Amino acid sequence: AQSVTQLDSQVPVFEEAPVELRCNYSSSVSVYLFWYVQYPNQGLQLLLKYLSGSTLVKGINGFEAEFNKSQTSFHLRKPSVHISDTAEYFCAVKRTSYDKVIFGPGTSLSVIP
Amino acid sequence: DTEVTQTPKHLVMGMTNKKSLKCEQHMGHRAMYWYKQKAKKPPELMFVYSYEKLSINESVPSRFSPECPNSSLLNLHLHALQPEDSALYLCASSQERGGNTGELFFGEGSRLTVL
Repeated sequence: AQSVTQLDSQVPVFEEAPVELRCNYSSSVSVYLFWYVQYPNQGLQLLLKYLSGSTLVKGINGFEAEFNKSQTSFHLRKPSVHISDTAEYFCAVKRTSYDKVIFGPGTSLSVIP
Repeated sequence: DTEVTQTPKHLVMGMTNKKSLKCEQHMGHRAMYWYKQKAKKPPELMFVYSYEKLSINESVPSRFSPECPNSSLLNLHLHALQPEDSALYLCASSQERGGNTGELFFGEGSRLTVL
């Protein structure tokens, strides 16, 4: 069975500081990996995805993530955060096209002015 | 702007009421989903429709009844709900269940309060 772990439930960070949100997954087969963001009172929006190929994936709003197969990780990073990045971030995994998306528990990012 | 539109944005209902949540997408996607989300929790899958046929029901109580009238529309009919059913209900779509990566496109959700 697949599972997704997001080690930090809450991450406070000062504006313009860098941030890393951690995600680890478990699966015995190859997976697709996603990061979704949910701003207050909104639905989820895809930030970026890893399907195959280059392990460094760039997404919207200046975010990027690196897939590490040996460590089964897919950590999300941004070099300089803005107030508007305050949101809930969900890591997600999917084994195949027909499989369900499995969401991690989420990390609440709070950017402090 | 989201390309998945959900109505209403807010709904308050009593335990004996019958109401419906509606979802519409015009991206040509052939898979549509209902998720339930409690505060500070990830979305929980409820139903999946693929090519307008119900393909997944995650053991959801029968007081929730999904309907897919056509490839663009998805409804969730609500009847005799309980206060613990209060949550944000999210609709999502994807190109199709097979043959793609399954990226989900979400609506902004319908926030349901059951009194």
